[in-house]
Amino acid sequence: DQQVKQNSPSLSVQEGRISILNCDYTNSMFDYFLWYKKYPAEGPTFLISISSIKDKNEDGRFTVFLNKSAKHLSLHIVPSQPGDSAVYFCAASDYNQGGKLIFGQGTELSVKP
Amino acid sequence: KAGVTQTPRYLIKTRGQQVTLSCSPISGHRSVSWYQQTPGQGLQFLFEYFSETQRNKGNFPGRFSGRQFSNSRSEMNVSTLELGDSALYLCASSFSPGSGANVLTFGAGSRLTVL
Repeated sequence: DQQVKQNSPSLSVQEGRISILNCDYTNSMFDYFLWYKKYPAEGPTFLISISSIKDKNEDGRFTVFLNKSAKHLSLHIVPSQPGDSAVYFCAASDYNQGGKLIFGQGTELSVKP
Repeated sequence: KAGVTQTPRYLIKTRGQQVTLSCSPISGHRSVSWYQQTPGQGLQFLFEYFSETQRNKGNFPGRFSGRQFSNSRSEMNVSTLELGDSALYLCASSFSPGSGANVLTFGAGSRLTVL
């Protein structure tokens, strides 16, 4: 029972273009969503988050969009840079579940110069 | 401000042995969570501790256990190791769980190989 799904295992984008990473969830109790970035041999690093009361949150080159009716969120990176190449994880949490995050399987982004 | 520190970073054990992993959270963070990352299952929640009490538990067998000390440092233990326990074990800390802003800060992980 995978409650958070990232259906694209990999994505390749040209430097300077937009990267769009997608995530779907099934549990309507989720009220907070996060994106983490992970390099090999390192722990995940927090990127950006969004509360279920919003539909968009921006932080520099990163924007997260939430469509609650579709139970879908996406991360946009504009413009993409080679240093953005990493595995991106979508995660969701329920207010009552404290530090328990449910992660997607990850999408490996490759940004080519 | 020091990050989340996990020790050891790498270790090799044989089947049947037990292992203890340690995690020091960010100063002031009172919640510590543990996750297991494997290629097949992704990142899976093991358990969370807050104020020395297990607050939440994932779907793992009883061989996996943990504890938290009064200084918020945490340990997790895996007994009777199996080959399938080979994974990256990640610890994460946060200031206040359930605050609606569950931004966890992760350590670099402990890579366990079971032979």
